[in-house]
Amino acid sequence: GNSVTQMEGPVTLSEEAFLTINCTYTATGYPSLFWYVQYPGEGLQLLLKATKADDKGSNKGFEATYRKETTSFHLEKGSVQVSDSAVYFCALSGAGSYQLTFGKGTKLSVIP
Amino acid sequence: SAVISQKPSRDICQRGTSLTIQCQVDSQVTMMFWYRQQPGQSLTLIATANQGSEATYESGFVIDKFPISRPNLTFSTLTVSNMSPEDSSIYLCSVSEEGGSGQPQHFGDGTRLSIL
Repeated sequence: GNSVTQMEGPVTLSEEAFLTINCTYTATGYPSLFWYVQYPGEGLQLLLKATKADDKGSNKGFEATYRKETTSFHLEKGSVQVSDSAVYFCALSGAGSYQLTFGKGTKLSVIP
Repeated sequence: SAVISQKPSRDICQRGTSLTIQCQVDSQVTMMFWYRQQPGQSLTLIATANQGSEATYESGFVIDKFPISRPNLTFSTLTVSNMSPEDSSIYLCSVSEEGGSGQPQHFGDGTRLSIL
């Protein structure tokens, strides 16, 4: 079956530091890949997506590239802000499927 | 994307009681889902809410415990029945973007449920 593995947290960074959150997946065919963000006390928001190999999703300074050869979709941001403190979830939707499979989530704390 | 409203946003309930959570969408959608997020954990799919027919439940979830209604294309309810402290979680509804499989889902803000 499908699965998503993302780096364990929590991650604590200073403001303006570079962020990488690793995500790898296992799926048959060509899944669609997503990053979601959950701010404290809120539901999940779609951050970015990529639907085919070599696609780069980007939003709010975050970006991730769909790497078929390494089955990865790592999240990056060049300069984090305190307002980026949240839990980040990597997820996939298998080919021909409407269901999402989520990673365990990575809690990011950014300190001034 | 669709705007999703969930009610209640939070509740504290007594053991053995039941609570019904409502999910309203501002547009007609084909696919609606219900998830559970236990404290500090990721999301687990409970079921797919099917309009006009019985919901499709994932392994480990049963209709007697989590009955779901989907009377139309903009509304669904999830009931958590005979609650115990282990049911303390965030319950979220989501809808899939139209356009076939592989689309992202959009989530409501969730219902934070605590069982005493």
